[in-house]
Amino acid sequence: QKEVEQNSGPLSVPEGAIASLNCTYSDRGSQSFFWYRQYSGKSPELIMFIYSNGDKEDGRFTAQLNKASQYVSLLIRDSQPSDSATYLCAVIMNSGGYQKVTFGTGTKLQVIP
Amino acid sequence: KAGVTQTPRYLIKTRGQQVTLSCSPISGHRSVSWYQQTPGQGLQFLFEYFSETQRNKGNFPGRFSGRQFSNSRSEMNVSTLELGDSALYLCASGSGLAAGEQFFGPGTRLTVL
Repeated sequence: QKEVEQNSGPLSVPEGAIASLNCTYSDRGSQSFFWYRQYSGKSPELIMFIYSNGDKEDGRFTAQLNKASQYVSLLIRDSQPSDSATYLCAVIMNSGGYQKVTFGTGTKLQVIP
Repeated sequence: KAGVTQTPRYLIKTRGQQVTLSCSPISGHRSVSWYQQTPGQGLQFLFEYFSETQRNKGNFPGRFSGRQFSNSRSEMNVSTLELGDSALYLCASGSGLAAGEQFFGPGTRLTVL
C-alpha cells in the first residue's frame, strides 16, 4: 500500500462545475496535510494546508480532512480552464524521529470550457 | 522578495560521472529540501537541511548527498550517475517551522546518457 494515494486521472469537469480531488494516506499518526498545484512544465506551488478535522475554505478552494477515515480532499468551486493542472497531496508523517514529507503522485485535472 | 533559484537549469551527463546542483532559498528561509521528480515515481523526497544540518532524509542511496552553507544555500551531489538518475530535481525553501509549507524552485533537469 502506498503511503499517499491519489487517483491519477485525468479528472475532467466542465467549466463552472465543482472539481473534487481525493487523497488517502496510510499513517494514522499523520499530522498535517498540504495541497500543491503543478502546471505542466512548472514547479509545484502551495495552494492550501489543513491540520484539523473538518473543512477549511480559501476563496474557491476548500480542503476537507477526515483523520478517522484517513482521507483529505480538495474541492474547487466554479472551476476555470486555468485550474487545469496536476494537484499533489502532501502528508507529513513522523518517521524514525524525522518529519517526513510524502507526496502522492498527483491527480490531473482538466477543466473543459 | 526573490524566489527560490536553482542552477543550472539543464544538465547532460554520462553514466559514471558526478554532478552538483545548487539551490538558493528565499531570503530568511533556513530550510532547504530536495526532491526528485520522474513521470513514473512522482515527487520523491531526498533530504532536508536546516541550519546547515541534515534534519530529514528519504530512501535514496548514499550516492545522493547534500550540504547547506551558513547563508542557507544548499548543494546536492550525485556521484556515479546512473541512467535512472535522469529526472527533474527540485529544491524547496521553507521557514523550517511548518514542514510541508514549502516554496519550490524551477528545478534542474538532469539527463544521464
